[in-house]
Amino acid sequence: DTAVSQTPKYLVTQMGNDKSIKCEQNLGHDTMYWYKQDSKKFLKIMFSYNNKELIINETVPNRFSPKSPDKAHLNLHINSLELGDSAVYFCASSQERLAGAFFGQGTRLTVV
Amino acid sequence: GDSVTQMEGPVTLSEEAFLTINCTYTATGYPSLFWYVQYPGEGLQLLLKATKADDKGSNKGFEATYRKETTSFHLEKGSVQVSDSAVYFCALRDAGNMLTFGGGTRLMVKP
Repeated sequence: DTAVSQTPKYLVTQMGNDKSIKCEQNLGHDTMYWYKQDSKKFLKIMFSYNNKELIINETVPNRFSPKSPDKAHLNLHINSLELGDSAVYFCASSQERLAGAFFGQGTRLTVV
Repeated sequence: GDSVTQMEGPVTLSEEAFLTINCTYTATGYPSLFWYVQYPGEGLQLLLKATKADDKGSNKGFEATYRKETTSFHLEKGSVQVSDSAVYFCALRDAGNMLTFGGGTRLMVKP
């Protein structure tokens, strides 16, 4: 069973569209994250979320919004997609405060 | 804020060579430290971790020691293989619950 799963794996869409990426974890973790990895492999934290607190990286445009229907899911919704949004987006989850995180396989988003 | 600095790559080695990838960090308090590995086309996998000063994390022949005095967590392996070719990320996690990554170091091992 996949611990952290994301769908879709690949997403190609036109500028201006709205899209969502889904993430589910079956580890019972209480914290989930979204990261953006650019073409140079640099990883940037976008959001950290648990059932008590949403932490937003202030550099993330408000076109990006996390939506959590329940503890096991944290979806990423993106409005008005731009060319610069093209990247690989990773979902992750963790439990203990000082533990590492488990990552999904990533979603490669290409905006044309 | 917290930050992690890694040596820039790519690091190119021959098979069976000794590997060191440097990592230093800046953080308040006492973070946990991690190394992650990303193989081509895949997500990040936790390679090893250390949660307090002088701890040594080890896995698959890789090891790293948490050095508080030098704020470092250098990754080492005695004899690399072609299958170790990947991008390696150093990371820290503080009590604020955020996992902060370094820029990644690409390792290329030639037969």
